[in-house]
Amino acid sequence: EVQLVQSGAEVKKPGESLKISCKGSGYSFTSYWIGWVRQMPGKGLEWMGIIYPGDSDTRYSPSFQGQVTISADKSISTAYLQWSSLKASDTAMYYCARLTTVGIIDYWGQGTLVTVSS
Amino acid sequence: EIVMTQSPATLSVSPGERATLSCRASQSVSSNLAWYQQKPGQAPRLLIYGASTRATGIPARFSGSGSGTEFTLTISSLQSEDFAVYYCQQYNNWPGLTFGGGTKVEIK
Repeated sequence: EVQLVQSGAEVKKPGESLKISCKGSGYSFTSYWIGWVRQMPGKGLEWMGIIYPGDSDTRYSPSFQGQVTISADKSISTAYLQWSSLKASDTAMYYCARLTTVGIIDYWGQGTLVTVSS
Repeated sequence: EIVMTQSPATLSVSPGERATLSCRASQSVSSNLAWYQQKPGQAPRLLIYGASTRATGIPARFSGSGSGTEFTLTISSLQSEDFAVYYCQQYNNWPGLTFGGGTKVEIK
């Protein structure tokens, strides 16, 4: 069974750093892209970027380029999304997702809620 | 960037009735269009890909149509579990992907 299990909810202060994770299981982790999607409170889905764990090829949505860093450790089948300096506007639910070779999201993680507040 | 526009923003439908949701692309995406359903407190799930192919386990009451810039998701007879938010997503510009703003299907 394909599963993407994300790390737990986080509460941080503005200016702090954060790294959340997404562990894949039940499939070949290095053979599928992993993407990250933001959902701000009460809002829609926003595409952030993707990584191919097989070779760490990473692409960012223009809206998120320079704002976050996506990485992966294929030895432990885990992808990451990190911030160096959080802002209150980063408060959102973040989903990781598995993508097929053409960009269809066929599996989703359960989401990680990030709250940034002073 | 390809902009995806969904309409209406909210659709009020009675159980058992038909629901028709629209998605428009700012430029042609061929048939590279997927639909997702999101219920409150849950992650989205894939319903339709290739504009009209149902994903595994999706009931036949869900159908998708269209190509190019105009797409439709139809739910033939709404069940209680179908009240949710629906998103379209283009993948024609892969690895550039974009979602529509969503349509909330609520109980009338």
